[in-house]
Amino acid sequence: EPEVTQTPSHQVTQMGQEVILRCVPISNHLYFYWYRQILGQKVEFLVSFYNNEISEKSEIFDDQFSVERPDGSNFTLKIRSTKLEDSAMYFCASRGVGGLGEQYFGPGTRLTVT
Amino acid sequence: EDQVTQSPEALRLQEGESSSLNCSYTVSGLRGLFWYRQDPGKGPEFLFTLYSAGEEKEKERLKATLTKKESFLHITAPKPEDSATYLCAVQAGSGGYQKVTFGTGTKLQVIP
Repeated sequence: EPEVTQTPSHQVTQMGQEVILRCVPISNHLYFYWYRQILGQKVEFLVSFYNNEISEKSEIFDDQFSVERPDGSNFTLKIRSTKLEDSAMYFCASRGVGGLGEQYFGPGTRLTVT
Repeated sequence: EDQVTQSPEALRLQEGESSSLNCSYTVSGLRGLFWYRQDPGKGPEFLFTLYSAGEEKEKERLKATLTKKESFLHITAPKPEDSATYLCAVQAGSGGYQKVTFGTGTKLQVIP
C-alpha cells in the first residue's frame, strides 16, 4: 500500500541553524501539506501546496519557513533560522484529486531545537 | 476563526462498552468535517469525511454522524486495539481553501 515517507525521523539542531525536512508524498497525489504538532498540543496547519505553488498558509508559516518540490517526488520544508519554539513533530501529508479531507500523513519528523 | 472543540479529553472504556465522542465546531461555510485516528508517535490516519448535516459514515466498529453544530463518533463494542487519540478536523470557506483546523482530540483507552 502506498504511503507517505519522511526523513529524518528525528533532527536535533542548534538555535539559529537552518533545517530541511524531507517528505516523499504518495506518487499520484497532487496536494501536499505540512503540519506541526507541539508535544501535547493539537495538530496545526502550516501550508498547502498545489501545482508547484503555495495555495494557502497559516499565520505560523512566516518568512522563516519555505517549501519546495525540487523534483517529481520530494516535498521539503525549510526553516531558515530555528528557534526553541520550533521544536515539534512535523507531519507531511498528501491527497489525491478527490476525497476532501482524505489526507495521508507521514510518520513525522521530530525536530528538537537546543 | 474556525473553532473545533472535542470532548471528553480522555475516555476509558471496558472492552465491549459502547460510547460516543463529541466534536463541536464553529465555522463559516463548512466544506467538510473529518475524523482521524492517531496512535502515539505516529501521524494521523484518515477515517471519515462528512459533508452535510444528516450524513453518516461507518467503518467496522466506528460510526460518524454530523449535525449543523457537532459531530459524533460512535464506538460500538470497542476492542483494545481501538485505543488511540481520535481527532476531529474541519475545512471551511469557499473556493480553493485548503486549511484544515484540528481539535485537541479525545484519548480513548479500551481496557480488556
